[in-house]
Amino acid sequence: GAGVSQSPSNKVTEKGKDVELRCDPISGHTALYWYRQRLGQGLEFLIYFQGNSAPDKSGLPSDRFSAERTGESVSTLTIQRTQQEDSAVYLCASTRARESGANVLTFGAGSRLTVL
Amino acid sequence: QKEAEQNSGPLSVPEGAIASLNCTYSDRGSQSFFWYRQYSGKSPELIMFIYSNGDKEDGRFTAQLNKASQYVSLLIRDSQPSDSATYLCAVTSGTYKYIFGTGTRLKVLA
Repeated sequence: GAGVSQSPSNKVTEKGKDVELRCDPISGHTALYWYRQRLGQGLEFLIYFQGNSAPDKSGLPSDRFSAERTGESVSTLTIQRTQQEDSAVYLCASTRARESGANVLTFGAGSRLTVL
Repeated sequence: QKEAEQNSGPLSVPEGAIASLNCTYSDRGSQSFFWYRQYSGKSPELIMFIYSNGDKEDGRFTAQLNKASQYVSLLIRDSQPSDSATYLCAVTSGTYKYIFGTGTRLKVLA
């Protein structure tokens, strides 16, 4: 697509429920990132996918968080048993990941999660 | 731990003035440097990137990189109220890891 597409744009859920967030990267972008941004805070790295390589999950804050991506297509971020502290905007970004030159991250509009 | 540090602000400048935003980074091996603008409630959008020492100009924006001193700056000339936003620097060292600063909030006063 023309840009990074994320859905839903807004999600309100009750504590303890599971949520799934979706990201559709720019066509041809092999690298995909998930970030979390709490209100008034900076970007917190969650997970990185590059093609068919093993993802870097080092930023996932707990085992309630998981993410999947098949090849270079759509990614889903799943949060199980949501807690109020999970309330944040979840940003997805993608890039071509060329070996040389600057790889510019393009962000989606984000999914705002509110846990009541 | 690799870091990128920014003054959180707010940095207030009058309309028409030059706004100067700074970012210092810890990894001497850093190779690419990015400036993103984030309006309240929106996602970050790229302003410009730089990877060579010196200045790079794009319209009213100039990025300045000094690898010896490990800082990268963004100058905004003829600042407009529409420039009011949070500015994020990001640094990479040739790997896939982007190190983001926490951002500087800029307020341009009309």
